[in-house]
Amino acid sequence: QKEVEQDPGPLSVPEGAIVSLNCTYSNSAFQYFMWYRQYSRKGPELLMYTYSSGNKEDGRFTAQVDKSSKYISLFIRDSQPSDSATYLCAMESMDSSYKLIFGSGTRLLVRP
Amino acid sequence: DAGVIQSPRHEVTEMGQEVTLRCKPISGHDYLFWYRQTMMRGLELLIYFNNNVPIDDSGMPEDRFSAKMPNASFSTLKIQPSEPRDSAVYFCASSRQTDGYQPQHFGDGTRLSIL
Repeated sequence: QKEVEQDPGPLSVPEGAIVSLNCTYSNSAFQYFMWYRQYSRKGPELLMYTYSSGNKEDGRFTAQVDKSSKYISLFIRDSQPSDSATYLCAMESMDSSYKLIFGSGTRLLVRP
Repeated sequence: DAGVIQSPRHEVTEMGQEVTLRCKPISGHDYLFWYRQTMMRGLELLIYFNNNVPIDDSGMPEDRFSAKMPNASFSTLKIQPSEPRDSAVYFCASSRQTDGYQPQHFGDGTRLSIL
């Protein structure tokens, strides 16, 4: 079993829809939780990060972490065609700092 | 500010040849990371450096892979000899050491095809 599991999709939604992306993990030592966005033929870019449990909001994006369930989510409100990309969750533990463990990525398509 | 710069962007070569991938991290960043991305295995950390010193190379798949960082502004990942299963996109990332969390900034990768 992988340390981080993520549904590969693809996920296709109409413009304006609310998108929910999720990851589950098995390592309870993970403390930092990140969401990266990767456009085709580009490197991943950090969207948001959260330390430990809780919610974090940035514009149309909200990240949630539920450590009791080992489950993290990224919500995108009012989705736009420009949001079409692959979204990767990533996690890091305090005892192996700087070693990010990535999910396999979910491909999102927002239809105009 | 310039981001992480990788070269070449694309490399096609025959198996058995030596391949050298290059990376220039963001100026002032203390950490440099090499990743490999494939459809089957996703994004995997190969090795990372702190202040030009290799810290963890446990992700390097075989002795055919080697990485160096001769100075703070340059790193190489070398594969010798190359094999078709090495075909992947190789990313370099860098980050800055501070008290708080600092994200890793990725380059746009080198797309490597071994024939």
